Amino acid sequence: QVTLKESGPALVKPTETLTLTCTVSGFSLSNAGMGVTWIRQPPGKALEWLAHIFPNDEKSYNTSLKNRLTVSKDISKSQVVLTMTNMDPVDTATYYCARIPVVAAEGWFDPWGQGTLVTVSS
Amino acid sequence: AIRMTQSPSSLSASTGDRVTITCRASQGISSYLAWYQQKPGKAPKLLMYAASTLQSGVPSRFRGSGSGTDFTLTISSLQSEDFATYFCQQYYTYPAITFGQGTRLEIK
Repeated sequence: QVTLKESGPALVKPTETLTLTCTVSGFSLSNAGMGVTWIRQPPGKALEWLAHIFPNDEKSYNTSLKNRLTVSKDISKSQVVLTMTNMDPVDTATYYCARIPVVAAEGWFDPWGQGTLVTVSS
Repeated sequence: AIRMTQSPSSLSASTGDRVTITCRASQGISSYLAWYQQKPGKAPKLLMYAASTLQSGVPSRFRGSGSGTDFTLTISSLQSEDFATYFCQQYYTYPAITFGQGTRLEIK
């Protein structure tokens, strides 16, 4: 069974850097067929794709946030890490990780982690 | 970036009703569209991909159609467990991905 689980701080201060971890099980981050994605959702609002990381370590970022995002992975720990710099209250959201195939024609997300709510406030 | 626009933003319906949700892309995306269902406090769940292919385990009362710029998600006979928010997602510009703003389906 494939599962993903997000972890990280529930509260960060403005201007701080957020670091979130996605721990996966049931598949390997070195699996040629699957990558991991980060997506966020402000309370009551729409989903926003943030970044992908693929088995060959290729990364892709949402251009509107690219300067603030870094995604990396630790295969031995089955973890994907997202960092977002210069946090602002508008970045308050539930952050999800999800699995995505590496094939462009199969660019949907399944499954998703449960999500972790991050609040940005002083 | 391709913009995905869903309509309506919210919808009230009764159990047993047939409902249709529309998703429109700002440019053609072939059939590179997925639909998700999200219940309060839960992660989205994949319902459909390639515009009309049902994900394993999803009831057959859900049907997707469309290609190019206009897509629909139809629920043929609403069940109580179907009241949720629905999102469309395009992957034509993979790896860049965009979502619709969501359609909230409420009990009348």
